[in-house]
Amino acid sequence: DAKTTQPTSMDCAEGRAANLPCNHSTISGNEYVYWYRQIHSQGPQYIIHGLKNNETNEMASLIITEDRKSSTLILPHATLRDTAVYYCIVRVGGSSNTGKLIFGQGTTLQVKP
Amino acid sequence: DTGVSQNPRHKITKRGQNVTFRCDPISEHNRLYWYRQTLGQGPEFLTYFQNEAQLEKSRLLSDRFSAERPKGSFSTLEIQRTEQGDSAMYLCASSLGGTQYQETQYFGPGTRLLVL
Repeated sequence: DAKTTQPTSMDCAEGRAANLPCNHSTISGNEYVYWYRQIHSQGPQYIIHGLKNNETNEMASLIITEDRKSSTLILPHATLRDTAVYYCIVRVGGSSNTGKLIFGQGTTLQVKP
Repeated sequence: DTGVSQNPRHKITKRGQNVTFRCDPISEHNRLYWYRQTLGQGPEFLTYFQNEAQLEKSRLLSDRFSAERPKGSFSTLEIQRTEQGDSAMYLCASSLGGTQYQETQYFGPGTRLLVL
């Protein structure tokens, strides 16, 4: 699975959009980009994932560049409860592989009042 | 609540004792994963089950660790002769398997182990 690079930490003002970048320059054509977050002392929470196209759900938007070498997770109106470690993961799709997730260090997002 | 559940949530044990953790995946999810997370690090993959078959084990899973999923439903992770280095959060995740959306893994709250 391709490796990802994320900033160690970021701050965001409450109510503003939080834009979390991720580089995955060695991503392969069949690898998906997944985002999870982990609030202190809890299990990781799934946020969103995508292959090529931009995706949006009730939690966030995922913007993937055309060359797929980077992506941005957007939390449109950050709240204090969005303070967490955010993990960007790339993994091979398809039911023929284990689907294990390889986590990096993630980005610690601090939302400030 | 139909999410992944794990028991116990916390376990304190003395070095050398055996411990067992249980994971109940989301109903009808045929894939089950165990991960371990130490302080300040991201979760690390330990092992994977497809139904009752254990199909992959990480090199992190020493011979003191054993995992089972006897009927393809709940799973147990046992650590024998615990060491202080086993202190960590043990996370379980499950997925339905199949299409890209069915492969999304959902995590439980974890079991935090402290070995004294």
